[in-house]
Amino acid sequence: QSVLTQPPSVSGAPGQRVTISCTGSNSNIGADYDVHWYQQFPGTAPKLLIYGKNKRPSGVPDRFSGSNSGASGSLVITGLQAEDEADYHCQSYDRRLRSWVFGGGTKLTVL
Amino acid sequence: EVQLVQSGAEVKKPGESLKISCKGSGYTFTSYWIGWVRQMPGKGLEWMGIIYPGDSDTTYSPSFEGQVTLSVDKSITTAYLQWSSLKASDTAIYYCARLSPGSNNWFDPWGQGTQVTVSS
Repeated sequence: QSVLTQPPSVSGAPGQRVTISCTGSNSNIGADYDVHWYQQFPGTAPKLLIYGKNKRPSGVPDRFSGSNSGASGSLVITGLQAEDEADYHCQSYDRRLRSWVFGGGTKLTVL
Repeated sequence: EVQLVQSGAEVKKPGESLKISCKGSGYTFTSYWIGWVRQMPGKGLEWMGIIYPGDSDTTYSPSFEGQVTLSVDKSITTAYLQWSSLKASDTAIYYCARLSPGSNNWFDPWGQGTQVTVSS
């Protein structure tokens, strides 16, 4: 049972917009800790996708964006492309657990 | 280029010990915390602990405290994750990753992962 809750799967057609949610509590996201996002292709390591207040590492397209609201964070992908098919993980910090925490991951399928 | 390179896949029997490694390059190794993350088959990511190579200060996740040991050899810019007695449930991919400085930390970059298989 992950501390942060993500939907197991989402899907969308090419060109569409998809949103992946990451729900926490008042000891992590709700306590104003940032939500960070990682992209992971099968058989490879996670890669940083979004960090801090909606910042993207060099090379990440601006089709990817992140936002927070209350105790939840969201990853939004616009103009969906076949190459976006991957697993997406959210991460934050929990002050009660004194731990870095992850969501269970969401598998994105491009139809 | 900042890079973390991990040791290769391991196949072990229950009760055996194991130490896997993570070599950092392209940055000042002693200035950044290194974290370890477990990914069990078909599952999400779990933070295990972090170590500061500058002074070997460590913090463990409550879920992994007493189950694993983190260490570093800063002379060869390498961090280690160690088990004294493996269990079948330790079968997973283990990643090391550099923790960003300051607060609201994220992990970047990540090592390529080490597959650990524990089976009799």
